[in-house]
Amino acid sequence: DGGITQSPKYLFRKEGQNVTLSCEQNLNHDAMYWYRQDPGQGLRLIYYSQIVNDFQKGDIAEGYSVSREKKESFPLTVTSAQKNPTAFYLCASTGAEGRELFFGEGSRLTVL
Amino acid sequence: AQSVTQPDIHITVSEGASLELRCNYSYGATPYLFWYVQSPGQGLQLLLKYFSGDTLVQGIKGFEAEFKRSQSSFNLRKPSVHWSDAAEYFCAVGRNTGFQKLVFGTGTRLLVSP
Repeated sequence: DGGITQSPKYLFRKEGQNVTLSCEQNLNHDAMYWYRQDPGQGLRLIYYSQIVNDFQKGDIAEGYSVSREKKESFPLTVTSAQKNPTAFYLCASTGAEGRELFFGEGSRLTVL
Repeated sequence: AQSVTQPDIHITVSEGASLELRCNYSYGATPYLFWYVQSPGQGLQLLLKYFSGDTLVQGIKGFEAEFKRSQSSFNLRKPSVHWSDAAEYFCAVGRNTGFQKLVFGTGTRLLVSP
């Protein structure tokens, strides 16, 4: 079945460490997105990519980095510069028609 | 700038009762409107969407929503709630220039009582 796979589902990190969250899709979608979700808040866009080897900052990109070397993959690195990284992270993608966002099941990052 | 308001943080409904979740938006042109549902610890699933045309939109799992331009609203309804509907519901507004402009509301958590 086609879909978006995020890993790991749970991740613990010490302060000062970088961590990379994986997002892989087999939907043949061009555009991919990373969102951050905090309790009581809506989803906020971190980065997005509309095509391989190109990506753009979203509303809260500071302290995060991404790459898009393959169409299927859009990993997110949470760097030590991110002041409050504990959150639920969601990856999404959309196809050529761009009429629906498909989401992965999320990764929960906890900084100890 | 576009914005979305979901005024109810929590709603409790008895199983079998009807449901209406409110969503108000602010946007200068005809918006694209969405309702998503999220179970705990899971990703979001699209319930329904409105782009144009008929203002009453049917979605999955027996949900529907009505776009009311005069009220800037896109409320979600279901005539009879099931215990499995307990989840968090998000309204979102966007436009035809791509999902990078999609703005989500803060969500409404639905509790279903026996």
